[in-house]
Amino acid sequence: AAGVIQSPRHLIKEKRETATLKCYPIPRHDTVYWYQQGPGQDPQFLISFYEKMQSDKGSIPDRFSAQQFSDYHSELNMSSLELGDSALYFCASSTRGRHEQFFGPGTRLTVL
Amino acid sequence: QKEVEQNSGPLSVPEGAIASLNCTYSDRGSQSFFWYRQYSGKSPELIMSIYSNGDKEDGRFTAQLNKASQYVSLLIRDSQPSDSATYLCAVYSGNTPLVFGKGTRLSVIA
Repeated sequence: AAGVIQSPRHLIKEKRETATLKCYPIPRHDTVYWYQQGPGQDPQFLISFYEKMQSDKGSIPDRFSAQQFSDYHSELNMSSLELGDSALYFCASSTRGRHEQFFGPGTRLTVL
Repeated sequence: QKEVEQNSGPLSVPEGAIASLNCTYSDRGSQSFFWYRQYSGKSPELIMSIYSNGDKEDGRFTAQLNKASQYVSLLIRDSQPSDSATYLCAVYSGNTPLVFGKGTRLSVIA
């Protein structure tokens, strides 16, 4: 079965640089969620989109923005990167009305 | 503030034993409950969903839900070393994303 695809899988950036993470949900899933997970932490919800509209907002810094496109893929844009942004970033998808979320493999972001 | 509580562990069980993982939640209106397994450095993998009171079995896994006590558990029978991972409890309460517990680290000793 098709799963959530994330790219890139690994990303190394310098402080103050920008990064763009991409997420391709499971086919026919209309809702995308972004999470940040630091070492030893549980996933922290950042933002979600349903049918290309932002549906919920969590602890996403103002330096980050995201959107969902007409093909339902989503991008998380991160600017003015800080050392503390180093983490695993997961995308998950679901269908509206079913609350099970299926996670992608994640992008490991390292900010030097 | 909706909260999901789990014992962080580590919970150590011998191979072949039953591992019992527990989770409590604060929002009495919670509707859906999930258990995810996460290996170190990997993404959470959905292993069980439960929506109504009682038990739900899937292979070696049994999820138990008691809404009156706001309690959900996961039993792993015949535990294997490959079950060693962090188990995340997640709760859906309506109109918000999943709320995750901080996870219980399980170690199955061969």
